[in-house]
Amino acid sequence: GESVGLHLPTLSVQEGDNSIINCAYSNSASDYFIWYKQESGKGPQFIIDIRSNMDKRQGQRVTVLLNKTVKHLSLQIAATQPGDSAVYFCAETSNGQNFVFGPGTRLSVLP
Amino acid sequence: GAVVSQHPSRVICKSGTSVKIECRSLDFQATTMFWYRQFPKQSLMLMATSNEGSKATYEQGVEKDKFLINHASLTLSTLTVTSAHPEDSSFYICSARDRQGATDTQYFGPGTRLTVL
Repeated sequence: GESVGLHLPTLSVQEGDNSIINCAYSNSASDYFIWYKQESGKGPQFIIDIRSNMDKRQGQRVTVLLNKTVKHLSLQIAATQPGDSAVYFCAETSNGQNFVFGPGTRLSVLP
Repeated sequence: GAVVSQHPSRVICKSGTSVKIECRSLDFQATTMFWYRQFPKQSLMLMATSNEGSKATYEQGVEKDKFLINHASLTLSTLTVTSAHPEDSSFYICSARDRQGATDTQYFGPGTRLTVL
């Protein structure tokens, strides 16, 4: 998998509001996508995944949307809480090969 | 979900010494493990792909003699930073690929903070 060493974009959200974190992927052949959450000083944590034969998948307070037409993936967090503050990464893979990670988005939850 | 552990979680060493970091998949077998390096406020940077029973594949710019990787079993991969220098100070994260079932997901370890004095 590849990754890009860039300074992270930041999304600030008021506590209780919904958060939407976006990710553009590059490979139209990618068939599996994952969202990870990384808190400060910790390793990335699996949140939710989606296969390319689906457009939407819901978890507990999180929803992942996949738009294959424009190669766009989003993570929606409902009723954002302070504990949701972290860096969120998307990842794409094709046939289980070469996981490619997005640059990440830092989510800051404001009180 | 699958659990991946790393040991140690934090290590401080003198310049010139070698440091070994272990990555274990606790409840699944991982034929493939990955080693990443992460600088503050930056994304993950893949260093190498570790395949059980074979040599690791290193990314461009990563010195294989500097960062020794051994994947001796289906649940353990080690990264040894040889002759560490202050510029090697970083957060090192491993991940293990779980190919069971219908998904093929990478699960990450908690990371190891290396500080070289």
